[in-house]
Amino acid sequence: AQSVTQLDSHVSVSEGTPVLLRCNYSSSYSPSLFWYVQHPNKGLQLLLKYTSAATLVKGINGFEAEFKKSETSFHLTKPSAHMSDAAEYFCVVLTGGGNKLTFGTGTQLKVEL
Amino acid sequence: NAGVTQTPKFRVLKTGQSMTLLCAQDMNHEYMYWYRQDPGMGLRLIHYSVGEGTTAKGEVPDGYNVSRLKKQNFLLGLESAAPSQTSVYFCAIRTGFIYNSPLHFGNGTRLTVT
Repeated sequence: AQSVTQLDSHVSVSEGTPVLLRCNYSSSYSPSLFWYVQHPNKGLQLLLKYTSAATLVKGINGFEAEFKKSETSFHLTKPSAHMSDAAEYFCVVLTGGGNKLTFGTGTQLKVEL
Repeated sequence: NAGVTQTPKFRVLKTGQSMTLLCAQDMNHEYMYWYRQDPGMGLRLIHYSVGEGTTAKGEVPDGYNVSRLKKQNFLLGLESAAPSQTSVYFCAIRTGFIYNSPLHFGNGTRLTVT
């Protein structure tokens, strides 16, 4: 069985400070992992994906995530938050034949001046 | 979210009414999905299709039916709406041929059942 846990439902940071959104997964197989972002009243947009190549994955808008097998983690980071980063972020794990995507429950990121 | 169009954007139904949600893609992809999003629960797969004329059940298929008569369109039907089906519905397409290609989502349909 596979699952994904987003450890914080809400994260608040000041503009210009680092962002850390935490995600832990469990999977019986070598997983593919994704981070998606959802702005209000919009669909989900892909930020980045890990598919067993480099463990440090760079995405759009300055985000990156590191796959750590020993810790079963795939945390999302950004060195400096911008107001436009305020949104909900979803960690997603994919195993098996490609149709078993499991979504985390989401982390709402708030960016304050 | 160019390429995946969902109609309608909003709808209010009374319990027992029926409706169909349409997802249309202009990118000729095989795999299409219907998800529902509820607060604190992430997205859950309702049904999916791996090509024209095919459909399969996802995680929460009860109360829904789907059809994929044309490759470009994936329809989600509610035959007898219930308040538990109040949700935001997202259609998605798989953007590549390999199994771990990312999904591309539409902007959603917000459905309220009273």
